[in-house]
Amino acid sequence: GESVGLHLPTLSVQEGDNSIINCAYSNSASDYFIWYKQESGKGPQFIIDIRSNMDKRQGQRVTVLLNKTVKHLSLQIAATQPGDSAVYFCAENMGGATNKLIFGTGTLLAVQP
Amino acid sequence: DTAVSQTPKYLVTQMGNDKSIKCEQNLGHDTMYWYKQDSKKFLKIMFSYNNKELIINETVPNRFSPKSPDKAHLNLHINSLELGDSAVYFCASSQVALSGPQYFGPGTRLTVL
Repeated sequence: GESVGLHLPTLSVQEGDNSIINCAYSNSASDYFIWYKQESGKGPQFIIDIRSNMDKRQGQRVTVLLNKTVKHLSLQIAATQPGDSAVYFCAENMGGATNKLIFGTGTLLAVQP
Repeated sequence: DTAVSQTPKYLVTQMGNDKSIKCEQNLGHDTMYWYKQDSKKFLKIMFSYNNKELIINETVPNRFSPKSPDKAHLNLHINSLELGDSAVYFCASSQVALSGPQYFGPGTRLTVL
C-alpha cells in the first residue's frame, strides 16, 4: 500500500482522546502558518491558520498554538475520531509577494478505535 | 463544483516520453502553484504563477515547463521523462494579496517506467 516504506513520525491515539501534533519551523521572519491534513490518495486540505501577531487560534475541535520564541507550532485535536487519521503538515509562509510556503515533514496520526 | 481540479489522476508512461498535467481552479484566485510530493510525503514547491506571470521558479530541471494560458489554468509539461520524476504532483491556488491559505487539487500520480 501507500504507506509501505514510509517512515513518518507517527502519533497513535485512542478514539476520544486529545491529540497534539508538533512542528518546528525554520524562519524567524515567517509571519503566517498553516496546518494541512492529507488523507490517503488525496490532496492536502486546509485545516486552520494563524498569523504571527497571535499565539492561539481555535477552530471546530482544533486549536493551533504558536510560540515564536522557540519557533514552534502545535495542532491540538479534541476528541479525536477515526476520520482524523491522516498525515498532518505544518507550513510556514516566508512572507513577501510570492506567498511561498515551506512545508514540514509531516506527522502520521493513527486513531485506534 | 470542484475548487481545484487536475487531470489526469494517474499517469503511467515510459522513460523519455513527454507528458502534460492540467490544472484548473474556479475559486477566482490570482495565483497558482505546482508542488511535487515524493515517496516520503515531502511536499516541495516547484513553480508559481500570479496573473499569468511566473513568480516562483525553484531549482527544477529545464525539462519541466509550466504554462498559464489564463489565471484559472496552470499546466505542467514535462519533457524526456526520467525515473526520478515519479511522484505525486499537486496543483494549488491562492489569493496572494490576502496572504491566505493555498488550496490544493487532488494530485496526479506520475509513474515513469
